[in-house]
Amino acid sequence: ETGVTQSPTHLIKTRGQQVTLRCSSQSGHNTVSWYQQALGQGPQFIFQYYREEENGRGNFPPRFSGLQFPNYSSELNVNALELDDSALYLCASSLAKFNYGYTFGSGTRLTVV
Amino acid sequence: AQSVSQHNHHVILSEAASLELGCNYSYGGTVNLFWYVQYPGQHLQLLLKYFSGDPLVKGIKGFEAEFIKSKFSFNLRKPSVQWSDTAEYFCAVNAEQAGTALIFGKGTTLSVSS
Repeated sequence: ETGVTQSPTHLIKTRGQQVTLRCSSQSGHNTVSWYQQALGQGPQFIFQYYREEENGRGNFPPRFSGLQFPNYSSELNVNALELDDSALYLCASSLAKFNYGYTFGSGTRLTVV
Repeated sequence: AQSVSQHNHHVILSEAASLELGCNYSYGGTVNLFWYVQYPGQHLQLLLKYFSGDPLVKGIKGFEAEFIKSKFSFNLRKPSVQWSDTAEYFCAVNAEQAGTALIFGKGTTLSVSS
């Protein structure tokens, strides 16, 4: 098992900029979910992709968007960054759409200044 | 609002003490329940999960949790904690009403002194 890898590990951006975060799923996993974890809070669901299609979305504005590629890797894009977007962004993969044996990555720490 | 509540923000115990961390959720209907742990500097790891069947589930490292449907609770327990159990613990719920999302509580920080 290679696990879930995320890049970059840390990132500093300026308000108004755009950012792309990347995630490589665990081998064999076809479902990927993204979560935002603010300091002192639990992870909050952003969206999920299953076989390259969005399969569910949390309460996040449209400037949060994503992609899943044929190899099941994924990107999270955030446009027009705001200070409140500063958080740890977690990617989690699983074997199937409703299989909740999620494997989490270590996250990308985004700081917006 | 529908949510997942973890009663304790920070718990401090001595080694060998017993642990119980509370978790309550407000979703009706079918739920799947989870406890995750995050050790310092590491990623979230699944401790245990409940989908159906025996409401007492056993997980890794001697942890167990009991699903009490009437109380909408899924408390985590360990009879005797070790220093290495120092970590942050998250309760999470998947409910039919919430679709595919895992809804997490705010977490409980456990500090174990040797």
